Amino acid sequence: KQEVTQIPAALSVPEGENLVLNCSFTDSAIYNLQWFRQDPGKGLTSLLLIQSSQREQTSGRLNASLDKSSGRSTLYIAASQPGDSATYLCAVEYGGATNKLIFGTGTLLAVQP
Amino acid sequence: DTGVSQDPRHKITKRGQNVTFRCDPISEHNRLYWYRQTLGQGPEFLTYFQNEAQLEKSRLLSDRFSAERPKGSFSTLEIQRTEQGDSAMYLCASSPLAGASNEQFFGPGTRLTVL
Repeated sequence: KQEVTQIPAALSVPEGENLVLNCSFTDSAIYNLQWFRQDPGKGLTSLLLIQSSQREQTSGRLNASLDKSSGRSTLYIAASQPGDSATYLCAVEYGGATNKLIFGTGTLLAVQP
Repeated sequence: DTGVSQDPRHKITKRGQNVTFRCDPISEHNRLYWYRQTLGQGPEFLTYFQNEAQLEKSRLLSDRFSAERPKGSFSTLEIQRTEQGDSAMYLCASSPLAGASNEQFFGPGTRLTVL
């Protein structure tokens, strides 16, 4: 069964700290991996997409890495800010006819001012 | 075009009633997805359309659920005889058919509460 796991489930850090969120997946034959941000009661905002042939993607203070062989991805957030507080979701796509996403349960991040 | 839109944003209904949600994808996006998200969980795939064709339905989609995309543009998701277990956030996403990546763009969701 294709499963996605995110650790930790919740994280609280002081403002300015660098942090890493982890995502692991059971089947390494992925097509791509996408990181999303979700604010309470809202939809999902796409942060970064890493294709299976790539090792990492960067956008501003965010850097996502992908290691297919170990079934892991990390999202690195530099110099965290209170506005980064949200739930971060990792989703894996295995290709095929539909390209549906399989999501982890998310990491709830709180950045304390 | 400002992104994927969904209507309504919130829906409260009594058990046994029928509800219908609408999703307008990003223009020219051929692929359209419906997901369901319950509290504290990640979204789960419900169904997929490529243009007007419904190509996959999850086992989560019971006989009470039906989705359509009649002209390959907007989509509707109907739930008949709602149950309390249907309470969730219903999310719609779209992506282009062409291109190397399949980045999915999500709408704001419709939160359903069944009393």
